[in-house]
Amino acid sequence: EPEVTQTPSHQVTQMGQEVILRCVPISNHLYFYWYRQILGQKVEFLVSFYNNEISEKSEIFDDQFSVERPDGSNFTLKIRSTKLEDSAMYFCASSERSVRGTSGSTEQFFGPGTRLTVL
Amino acid sequence: RKEVEQDPGPFNVPEGATVAFNCTYSNSASQSFFWYRQDCRKEPKLLMSVYSSGNEDGRFTAQLNRASQYISLLIRDSKLSDSATYLCVVVYSSASKIIFGSGTRLSIRP
Repeated sequence: EPEVTQTPSHQVTQMGQEVILRCVPISNHLYFYWYRQILGQKVEFLVSFYNNEISEKSEIFDDQFSVERPDGSNFTLKIRSTKLEDSAMYFCASSERSVRGTSGSTEQFFGPGTRLTVL
Repeated sequence: RKEVEQDPGPFNVPEGATVAFNCTYSNSASQSFFWYRQDCRKEPKLLMSVYSSGNEDGRFTAQLNRASQYISLLIRDSKLSDSATYLCVVVYSSASKIIFGSGTRLSIRP
């Protein structure tokens, strides 16, 4: 069964450093997403990406964050100048169609996540 | 009022019981609704989409009440493997927002 993969599974970094979290979405999917989940809190939407550009982003996704699809398979989230409060689990997801579609909206498949720890 | 609100639980029920959760949402411009389950320290996985007419998938039944702005999930004949956190997800078309609820914890005891 196809699946979304993410690397690394755990990233430890010093405050102020830049990190790049990597995701390989399911190959025939066109919509890609990043979410974060701070320990003990709810899943929060960060950004969605379609056709090589950001389609939606939340208030959390400020200038510190950027996303890129550098090639035909990878989808990355870059966090510049990390802060202690960026420590969280970051989930990548992909879907074949837009999650905002009509009845029968398609499923988002989530990767296993990257646990980011900022020291 | 929170955009998407769920009773955090935990709901602790015996195996074989029927259990139901509700999720309320505040924005009437919402378009799509989903139930996900999340096991401890794992990624969310789609349980079912919620359709306007209500839908059933085996032991699981989801319903949408637009007038009262809530969705519900009913689990019949609960199994030990149903123990998880159940996340309500609402997608707002107008603001293009995807909002997760904080989840309801369910624990099934033998």
